[in-house]
Amino acid sequence: DTAVSQTPKYLVTQMGNDKSIKCEQNLGHDTMYWYKQDSKKFLKIMFSYNNKELIINETVPNRFSPKSPDKAHLNLHINSLELGDSAVYFCASSRHAGTSGYTFGSGTRLTVV
Amino acid sequence: GENVEQHPSTLSVQEGDSAVIKCTYSDSASNYFPWYKQELGKGPQLIIDIRSNVGEKKDQRIAVTLNKTAKHFSLHITETQPEDSAVYFCAASKSEDTGRRALTFGSGTRLQVQP
Repeated sequence: DTAVSQTPKYLVTQMGNDKSIKCEQNLGHDTMYWYKQDSKKFLKIMFSYNNKELIINETVPNRFSPKSPDKAHLNLHINSLELGDSAVYFCASSRHAGTSGYTFGSGTRLTVV
Repeated sequence: GENVEQHPSTLSVQEGDSAVIKCTYSDSASNYFPWYKQELGKGPQLIIDIRSNVGEKKDQRIAVTLNKTAKHFSLHITETQPEDSAVYFCAASKSEDTGRRALTFGSGTRLQVQP
C-alpha cells in the first residue's frame, strides 16, 4: 500500500523520559512534515524537510529534534518529556513544499503521565 | 506570517441539507487552498483543493469557492449524509523559493449530520 506510516500509534510514558516517533512514506514525495494537534484539534507545523534538508523549524522547544536519514523517512525524537507534550503528532508528506496536497499518517497519540 | 480563520467551529445539519464552512486568510500572496476531512482517530484527508487562478471547483457533492479580493474561501457540501460527519479543516500556503512553505491550517469545523 502506498501511504505515510508512522509508529507507534499510541505512546504512554512518564515525565522526563526520552521517546522517538518514526515516519516513512513510499509515495516518492520530496517533502515531509511534523504537525502537532492539540486537544482542541488545532494543527500546528513543527518541522519540515525537503530532500533531507530542514526548511521549517518553528518555535518548538529544542527538546524536539527531527532527523531525516533519507527523503522517505522523517523521525521525531523528544527528550525530557513534559506533561504539555501530550498531543497527537502527525507526519505528512507532499510532492512539493507547501503547494501540493499533503498525505497524512494516522497519527501518534502521545500521553505523558 | 499567514493566519487562517475558520467559521463556524461546530455545525449541525439535517441529512440532505447543505453545509457551508468559511475561511479567511491574511497573506495576499497565498495561492493554494486545500480542504481536509478528519474522521475520529484518523489523520486529515485531502478532499478538495483550489489554486488562486481559479474561482470555483466542484467534485460531486463538494465545491470550493475562492474570492481573492476579499481573501476568503468556502467549502460547500450538498445533500449531506451521516458519513459526512467529521472535522473539516481549511488551509492556505504560497509557493516561494525560500522560507516558509507549509500549510497553515484553520481551527477546524466539527460537522454533525443528523439522520
